Amino acid sequence: AQSVTQLDSQVPVFEEAPVELRCNYSSSVSVYLFWYVQYPNQGLQLLLKYLSGSTLVESINGFEAEFNKSQTSFHLRKPSVHISDTAEYFCAVVKTSYDKVIFGPGTSLSVIP
Amino acid sequence: DVKVTQSSRYLVKRTGEKVFLECVQDMDHENMFWYRQDPGLGLRLIYFSYDVKMKEKGDIPEGYSVSREKKERFSLILESASTNQTSMYLCASSFLKAGSYGYTFGSGTRLTVV
Repeated sequence: AQSVTQLDSQVPVFEEAPVELRCNYSSSVSVYLFWYVQYPNQGLQLLLKYLSGSTLVESINGFEAEFNKSQTSFHLRKPSVHISDTAEYFCAVVKTSYDKVIFGPGTSLSVIP
Repeated sequence: DVKVTQSSRYLVKRTGEKVFLECVQDMDHENMFWYRQDPGLGLRLIYFSYDVKMKEKGDIPEGYSVSREKKERFSLILESASTNQTSMYLCASSFLKAGSYGYTFGSGTRLTVV
């Protein structure tokens, strides 16, 4: 069965420091990959997605993620975090053959002033 | 601005009550989903629907049912609420079945069953 692993349940980081949130998935077939963000007391919002093409994808607020097929990873990075980035981040994967989306357990990012 | 609207942000219900959670989307999406979110477990799919009058069980359908009488509305029903159904419930919709362009989520309903 397909699964998504987010290795860190909680990541504290100081403001303006870099951060990497890790995501690995188990699938032997082609997949689409997503990162969603959930701010406190809100629903999830799509942050960025990889469907095909360039393996490096970027969001409008400075996050980026790189698809690594050989390592089946899709880690999320930001070179300098802000207080407003404090949120829960979910990695998600779906097989390109029209399957359901599988979400990881989430990583809670806390940015410390 | 397109959106998915969940009728209640917070609900408190008693054990044994029948509970209705409503979700409405204004994007003309065919596909709608109900998830529950619990700490450490992430999101788990309860039910989904790819068309009006159509429904399919997700990973944890026990104790729940759904209704989709109109394209824009997808209701989750707890037939007899129990304390283990205390959770955050998230509704989502998508343009494509597997959400290849991503899901649009509602703000969630935090349900407490006492």
